[in-house]
Amino acid sequence: NAGVTQTPKFQVLKTGQSMTLQCAQDMNHNSMYWYRQDPGMGLRLIYYSASEGTTDKGEVPNGYNVSRLNKREFSLRLESAAPSQTSVYFCASRGGAQETQYFGPGTRLLVL
Amino acid sequence: GDSVTQMEGPVTLSEEAFLTINCTYTATGYPSLFWYVQYPGEGLQLLLKATKADDKGSNKGFEATYRKETTSFHLEKGSVQVSDSAVYFCALRAMFSGGYNKLIFGAGTRLAVHP
Repeated sequence: NAGVTQTPKFQVLKTGQSMTLQCAQDMNHNSMYWYRQDPGMGLRLIYYSASEGTTDKGEVPNGYNVSRLNKREFSLRLESAAPSQTSVYFCASRGGAQETQYFGPGTRLLVL
Repeated sequence: GDSVTQMEGPVTLSEEAFLTINCTYTATGYPSLFWYVQYPGEGLQLLLKATKADDKGSNKGFEATYRKETTSFHLEKGSVQVSDSAVYFCALRAMFSGGYNKLIFGAGTRLAVHP
């Protein structure tokens, strides 16, 4: 049982390049989330998916798109990366009797 | 809107010292409250939670009591260890307009414990 996994762990992009961050969970959870973590700002919600086939915007969705490919996988895409998107990105899933959110190890992204 | 405010860090303590990290919140209704911990290079892990007023969450020697009258959820530990060095996040669970819930996080407080 791996929990929530994310790839890649670290990525460097040039301004204008695109990339997709991958997230998968093996806990059979319905809800999945993408957050970004910036110094002094805690975690901010980018996008949310309540179930397979549905996605909703969070606090800071501009510049991102998401896909809930199936129940396990929830990907985050940057179509044209900007330096302001330099951050650490966390994926999470929620479920279980306690409705706890479980976080992946994060992807550190640097946009030059 | 809903928000969480926690004390700025870093907090630097010697081993076996008493720890308090303050957290206050603003929310409509009665949200559930959480403390998450992030060890270096890792994702966030749930440390403890409380779902209603006067509830006390506890785990690994850490405690926090949900105080509705002061809208607070301060984290405490009687005797910290070097292994407690991490960033601690206070959070509340709020509702989207569509009826789904989300977590709102404070900015995080870094704790460094020295031998």
